[in-house]
Amino acid sequence: DIQMTQSPSTLSASVGDRVTITCRASESIGTYLAWYQQKPGKAPQLLIYKASNLQIGVPSRFSGSGSVTEFTLTISRLQPEDFATYYCQQYNSYSGTFGPGTKVDI
Amino acid sequence: QVQVVESGGGLVKPGGSLRLSCAASGFSFSDFYFSWVRQAPGKRREWVSYISGSGTTIYYADSVKGRFTISRDNAKNSLYLQMNSLRVDDTAVYYCARRRDYGYYDVWGQGTTVTVSS
Repeated sequence: DIQMTQSPSTLSASVGDRVTITCRASESIGTYLAWYQQKPGKAPQLLIYKASNLQIGVPSRFSGSGSVTEFTLTISRLQPEDFATYYCQQYNSYSGTFGPGTKVDI
Repeated sequence: QVQVVESGGGLVKPGGSLRLSCAASGFSFSDFYFSWVRQAPGKRREWVSYISGSGTTIYYADSVKGRFTISRDNAKNSLYLQMNSLRVDDTAVYYCARRRDYGYYDVWGQGTTVTVSS
């Protein structure tokens, strides 16, 4: 299986900060990478697919970049509703593996 | 409103069975692949199984192959996961998720909790 790592595991930030989360794959996945946001007790929400494509309805302060094995999710100006856990997922293989998550807190 | 809602979780003894359901609404259910994805306490999210829109293509993770069966009823806009021979390590929150293109998920439920314990 392709292994996914994320850094940092926890990130403390303030409203208005620019935040960057990194996701790395153990082998090349091209641009078959998605990012999700999840808040406690809520359904996960797709933010980005194909590494850099913004899902419909997701605010433009979220952006994704990268290819091959290294990817980033950037939140340009953190808003109060953005405090959550963020997961990356590769889908280059049919099973699709997830990263361990990055918790963004105050 | 596009949504999926899981149900059927609960407490079951090792070796027991449970059937999870996922009710979809707000879109043409039969047009989409679906997956079950789970997350055990302290573990990473893990894909369990997926099924094509027609139900003719099905895959399972090795960890559940031979014990779990995914199915769907397009007339009822519903997805199912029959779980047999449950083990303690099947304890997790189980999510129903709409699968897109090569395998990302654009619609998720809130999950249903399965606890396997004696």
